[in-house]
Amino acid sequence: EDQVTQSPEALRLQEGESSSLNCSYTVSGLRGLFWYRQDPGKGPEFLFTLYSAGEEKEKERLKATLTKKESFLHITAPKPEDSATYLCAAPWQAGTALIFGKGTTLSVSS
Amino acid sequence: DTGVSQDPRHKITKRGQNVTFRCDPISEHNRLYWYRQTLGQGPEFLTYFQNEAQLEKSRLLSDRFSAERPKGSFSTLEIQRTEQGDSAMYLCASSPPGLLNTGELFFGEGSRLTVL
Repeated sequence: EDQVTQSPEALRLQEGESSSLNCSYTVSGLRGLFWYRQDPGKGPEFLFTLYSAGEEKEKERLKATLTKKESFLHITAPKPEDSATYLCAAPWQAGTALIFGKGTTLSVSS
Repeated sequence: DTGVSQDPRHKITKRGQNVTFRCDPISEHNRLYWYRQTLGQGPEFLTYFQNEAQLEKSRLLSDRFSAERPKGSFSTLEIQRTEQGDSAMYLCASSPPGLLNTGELFFGEGSRLTVL
């Protein structure tokens, strides 16, 4: 069964304290791995698409990487405004629907 | 670009009542998705439309749920005989036409359903 698993469930950081979020997947014939950010009470907002092992994408303080079994979202010198739930997702079977992980809730305090 | 619009934002209903949610996608987007999200969980796929055709349905979409997208524009999601387990945030998303699945979905802010 296709699955996307994220860890940790929650992460508390001090401003400037870098860390990484993990997304492991068991999806046959992976056709992309996607990262989203979700603020409380809002819909998810797209961040990155990764297609192949070794690929990296960057946006401000965020960098996403992909291996054959997992993806990492690295957060460098985070700020309080980076506080949110970060979701990863992969296409489900042969369709266009996405299967999401449960997310990692990041809290950054100043 | 006004983004994906959902209505109502909040709905409180009694068990057994019917509810309907509306989604207006970004105008040039031909793909439309419905997801459901409960507290502490990621969004779960319900159904997918390409233009007016409903092409994918999750097993989560029981026969109490029906979705339509007449004329390939706005979409409605109706839940009949609501149950307390239906309490969730119902998210609509859209994406533009194209062969490559970039995984970039544009989500609305959701419709929160509370069933008493």
